[in-house]
Amino acid sequence: AQSVTQPDIHITVSEGASLELRCNYSYGATPYLFWYVQSPGQGLQLLLKYFSGDTLVQGIKGFEAEFKRSQSSFNLRKPSVHWSDAAEYFCAVGTGGYQKVTFGTGTKLQVIP
Amino acid sequence: NAGVTQTPKFQVLKTGQSMTLQCAQDMNHNSMYWYRQDPGMGLRLIYYSASEGTTDKGEVPNGYNVSRLNKREFSLRLESAAPSQTSVYFCASSVRRGLEGQNQPQHFGDGTRLSIL
Repeated sequence: AQSVTQPDIHITVSEGASLELRCNYSYGATPYLFWYVQSPGQGLQLLLKYFSGDTLVQGIKGFEAEFKRSQSSFNLRKPSVHWSDAAEYFCAVGTGGYQKVTFGTGTKLQVIP
Repeated sequence: NAGVTQTPKFQVLKTGQSMTLQCAQDMNHNSMYWYRQDPGMGLRLIYYSASEGTTDKGEVPNGYNVSRLNKREFSLRLESAAPSQTSVYFCASSVRRGLEGQNQPQHFGDGTRLSIL
């Protein structure tokens, strides 16, 4: 079975600084990868997805992620963080089919002035 | 454009009571899902419905039942609530999986916060 690891439970960055959130997955074949963001009291919103092709994918709100097969990683990045980016971020991996999407445990981002 | 609507938003139950969580989507999606979110555990799939008329168990189905009432609506029922079912419940929907079988992004409701005393 596939699994997803987000090693950082909580990250604090200064506004304007760069951001990288880590995601590692375990799956034998090519996975389908997602990053979602959850603001307090709300549901999850899709930031970006990777299915195939170019390993650097662009998403909404200025986020990007890079798929590295050799490292089994799909890290999320943003060059300059805004206070409104404070939220919880979830990486997810799918292996095809309707139910086989596994979510990581999330990384909570705090942005300080 | 409402997307995925969940009702109620908050609920407090006593142990042994029953209730139904409602979910409706207006995006004409085929697939619908119920998750529970607990601190430090991410989202865990309870049940899903690949298309109207079908439902299947996910990772943590015990203590729950579901009904896919029509294409728009997918309800989750707790027959006899237990304190271990205190959680935030999310409904999600997606288009049918891609031509190559790839999972499609899911659209989430804002959740139902359920406390069982």
